Amino acid sequence: GAVVSQHPSWVICKSGTSVKIECRSLDFQATTMFWYRQFPKQSLMLMATSNEGSKATYEQGVEKDKFLINHASLTLSTLTVTSAHPEDSSFYICSAEPRETQYFGPGTRLLVL
Amino acid sequence: GENVEQHPSTLSVQEGDSAVIKCTYSDSASNYFPWYKQELGKGPQLIIDIRSNVGEKKDQRIAVTLNKTAKHFSLHITETQPEDSAVYFCAASRRGAQKLVFGQGTRLTINP
Repeated sequence: GAVVSQHPSWVICKSGTSVKIECRSLDFQATTMFWYRQFPKQSLMLMATSNEGSKATYEQGVEKDKFLINHASLTLSTLTVTSAHPEDSSFYICSAEPRETQYFGPGTRLLVL
Repeated sequence: GENVEQHPSTLSVQEGDSAVIKCTYSDSASNYFPWYKQELGKGPQLIIDIRSNVGEKKDQRIAVTLNKTAKHFSLHITETQPEDSAVYFCAASRRGAQKLVFGQGTRLTINP
């Protein structure tokens, strides 16, 4: 299978600060990556679709100005949580899709104090 | 849009027995159905998938069946082992649409 990495694996930050999460495809190029959010004991919720060289497509109810997505290369997408608040604490997971099959990264746990 | 329902939410089986998890979908245009296993604190791992041009697919102890007419698909795990304990998610998507719609998840516990 394809390998997707994320960095950092966990982060703790103060309320009001911004946090950047990186998603990389290690052994393939990805024109499209996906960002999900998962609360404890719940399913994955798609936040946005990241498109290389163009704007991301956000799902209904997801604030694009709060969750900034940049897909500057075929192997890297970044999610920046701006002015983070405790309610943004969650498990953020990215995925990429070589050959019409989605592979997920290991996730980033964000805790906002 | 697509809606995926997954049952049961929790499942406990004795080691060595079989486990079955079922999902139904609403969009008849969906044609790709993957299953993911998620261990605590980790990202989902693809374990098996099926496309709408086949009715069944098997990989060692894991199999998936698809009934397009009834719009449901199932995951079958035989000879369960303690390491099979995890949360399992089904999903559905249309070819070309890329977006996966996930079921609610099933927490599978294998009792020694």
